[in-house]
This record gives sequence, structure tokens and C-alpha cells, in this order.
Amino acid sequence: EVQLLESGGGLVQPGGSLRLSCAASGFTFSSYAMSWARQAPGKGLEWVSAIGGSAGSAYYPDSVKGRFTISRDNSKNTLYLQMNSLRAEDTAVYYCAKDRRQLAPPYYYYGMDVWGQGTTVTVSS
Amino acid sequence: DIQMTQSPSSLSASVGDRVTITCQASQDISNYLNWYQQKPGKAPKLLIYDASNLETGVPSRFSGSGSGTDFTFTISSLQPEDIATYYCQQYDHLPLTFGPGTKLDMK
Repeated sequence: EVQLLESGGGLVQPGGSLRLSCAASGFTFSSYAMSWARQAPGKGLEWVSAIGGSAGSAYYPDSVKGRFTISRDNSKNTLYLQMNSLRAEDTAVYYCAKDRRQLAPPYYYYGMDVWGQGTTVTVSS
Repeated sequence: DIQMTQSPSSLSASVGDRVTITCQASQDISNYLNWYQQKPGKAPKLLIYDASNLETGVPSRFSGSGSGTDFTFTISSLQPEDIATYYCQQYDHLPLTFGPGTKLDMK
């Protein structure tokens, strides 16, 4: 069974940092791009970063560029999201998700067919 | 960025009703569109990819159509377990962007 399990969420002060992890199982992790998406309380979905299967070709929307860093360790089947300079507006449930297509070219993402259960990040003083 | 809009933002329907949600992209995205279902407190679930292809295991009462800028998502006969929020998402251009969602509840 394909599974994604996030961890690392919590309460952090504005300007602080947090590192999220996502443990993957049940599929060939290195063959798939992976994404992080978030959902602020009562709001819709926002895609916040993605990385190719070989750990190159990371992408960030402007809302998090320069503050968030996505990475992966294919030997550990684990995805990470390092979040720095956190703001109140980063408060959300953060989901990791597997891309729908295997062995995609760099910077090609096709949407997410498997999602984790989410981990909550609260930025507040 | 490509902006996605959905209508309606919410709707109420009865068991057995045919339900239709529309999604519009701010520019041509060919058929590079997915539809997701999200139930309260749960992660999104992929239902439709490439605008009209049913994800494995998804009931056939769900369907999608469209290309270019205008897309439609349909539930042919609403079931109680279909109560959720539905999102479209484009993947033609980075960043991937979602529509604002359509909240479906039971009348």
C-alpha cells in the first residue's frame, strides 16, 4: 500500500523555523516527483513546493520562494520541507503528496495522486 | 500564474441528483486539469486527471470533460458519501494552481 506520513509540525513564533518530514512507503520513491501543499484554516489548497525524483529541479511559488527549501533523501524514502522566516500567513495544514506520473522530466508535475494525512503548522507569538 | 475559478462556490443537492461544477482557467491549459475531492478533516483525493480520465478505484458516477479554458465535473447520481469540497487544479504551467473549491452538501 502506498503511504505518506508527515511529521514535524507544531507551534513556532513568527520569524522562526521548522522542518517537516514525510516518510514514504509502498512505491519506488526515487521515480516520482514529490510536492508539498498547504491549506490554511477554512481556506483552499495551495501548492508550495515540488522536487523531481532525482532531487534536482525544485520549484517554489513566489509566496514561499527564498524562505522554504524542499529536499529529499532517496536512500531513506523521505521528503523534507525546511521552512524559515515563518509568518502568520504560513499557518496551515501541510500535506506531502506524490506526483501522478513516474519518471517525469525535470520541472514537469502532473498533479498528486497520493497524499499524506497532513501536519499542522501554527505560526503565532 | 494561471488563475482558476469555480462555480458555484457552494451548492445543495439531494440523493440521486445530477450535480455539475464548472472550472475556468485564465488561459488555455489544454486538458491539463485534475479534480480532487476533500472531505472535512481529510486529505484531498484525486478523482479525475487529464480533464476526463477517472482515477483507478473512483466510482463511475464521477466524470469530467472540457479542454482549453472551460471544464466541467459531474456526479451523475449524488450519494451521501459524496458530500465534500471539490477542487480543480491545472498543471499546464508552474506554479500548479487550484480553484477556490466548491462545497457540496445535502439538501
